[in-house]
Amino acid sequence: EAGVAQSPRYKIIEKRQSVAFWCNPISGHATLYWYQQILGQGPKLLIQFQNNGVVDDSQLPKDRFSAERLKGVDSTLKIQPAKLEDSAVYLCASSLLGQPQHFGDGTRLSIL
Amino acid sequence: AQRVTQPEKLLSVFKGAPVELKCNYSYSGSPELFWYVQYSRQRLQLLLRHISRESIKGFTADLNKGETSFHLKKPFAQEEDSAMYYCAESNGGATNKLIFGTGTLLAVQP
Repeated sequence: EAGVAQSPRYKIIEKRQSVAFWCNPISGHATLYWYQQILGQGPKLLIQFQNNGVVDDSQLPKDRFSAERLKGVDSTLKIQPAKLEDSAVYLCASSLLGQPQHFGDGTRLSIL
Repeated sequence: AQRVTQPEKLLSVFKGAPVELKCNYSYSGSPELFWYVQYSRQRLQLLLRHISRESIKGFTADLNKGETSFHLKKPFAQEEDSAMYYCAESNGGATNKLIFGTGTLLAVQP
């Protein structure tokens, strides 16, 4: 089966600019997750979707981060405006309900 | 709050030596525990989960509720085991939310 697809692989922007990441989950996976992984740390969940509804966004900095999954398949994560501390790898994962998560390659974001 | 602790940032062993990667969790209910692995230039992938009670690539992990631990073990390390290992905990339920540890880099020397 095709894995979780993410783009872009790398992004470099200046602080206060905006950026968007895209994720295409494994076909049939209703649950989609966005994680932030800062260097030297484990992934931290930002937001979780079940189909196109938000299940958990308690760790999402909502003043600057937003995410959507309008048709219950692809998802985008946006940061506006970016801060230096947003430099991280952003991981997308998907799963069947209650099953282990499958991860994409991630997008490495560098803020200058 | 749930917390997963991996006390070692780096574990270096020689090929053929036993390996134990430590993991302690905090959830007091009935947690689900996982080990994820990330090989160089590859994506994060599931290695094993405690409810499967299986051995993957020679690795095993036993859930010890008394010590709240889920240590990953392998009797004889191979060079291809060199990777970043993350322990993760889920409280199950509808959210299936994963809490990850900070990871341990396993380096197997020839």
